[in-house]
Amino acid sequence: KNEVEQSPQNLTAQEGEFITINCSYSVGISALHWLQQHPGGGIVSLFMLSSGKKKHGRLIATINIQEKHSSLHITASHPRDSAVYICAAKIQGAQKLVFGQGTRLTINP
Amino acid sequence: DVKVTQSSRYLVKRTGEKVFLECVQDMDHENMFWYRQDPGLGLRLIYFSYDVKMKEKGDIPEGYSVSREKKERFSLILESASTNQTSMYLCASSLAGYNQPQHFGDGTRLSIL
Repeated sequence: KNEVEQSPQNLTAQEGEFITINCSYSVGISALHWLQQHPGGGIVSLFMLSSGKKKHGRLIATINIQEKHSSLHITASHPRDSAVYICAAKIQGAQKLVFGQGTRLTINP
Repeated sequence: DVKVTQSSRYLVKRTGEKVFLECVQDMDHENMFWYRQDPGLGLRLIYFSYDVKMKEKGDIPEGYSVSREKKERFSLILESASTNQTSMYLCASSLAGYNQPQHFGDGTRLSIL
């Protein structure tokens, strides 16, 4: 079993829908990252959080430390949100990240 | 803004060749990382470096080596390329210290024929 699990692996939705991507982890972490990867490869860091909730535009990330679970939400989704979304756990006491397998999101117009 | 630059977006090499992938960052970051990304497996850490001339093995170091002679540059070396090293390679950098975000390059898609 992977230390970081994401669901769903693939998600297709219509423009305007509310999107939720989930991330569960089984290790002790100091922070959790949400990353976005567009076709072509480049990865952009969206959020890094260790508690509570963060919001940036239409994106919201939450984390529940007790339940070892994080969610990424996208409100009023748009085709330009189509990308692979990756959660990555920063292991306590280490520099390394452990990555989920990614969620491929497709938003149709 | 932090800029992490990988020398090539696409690279095609032959089995047995020695291959160098270069990564340069412009923000004086202490930490630098090399990952490979494969379908169904996600990103996996090959090596990282926390200072000049310092390196540590990641989860899949076999078949790779690294070099960090200057703080801004981290090189990944495939000593004798094999077809199972065909992959997307991503470099990242971060400041030292607790919970610093990693900044990624655009990736190099390497094909070994």
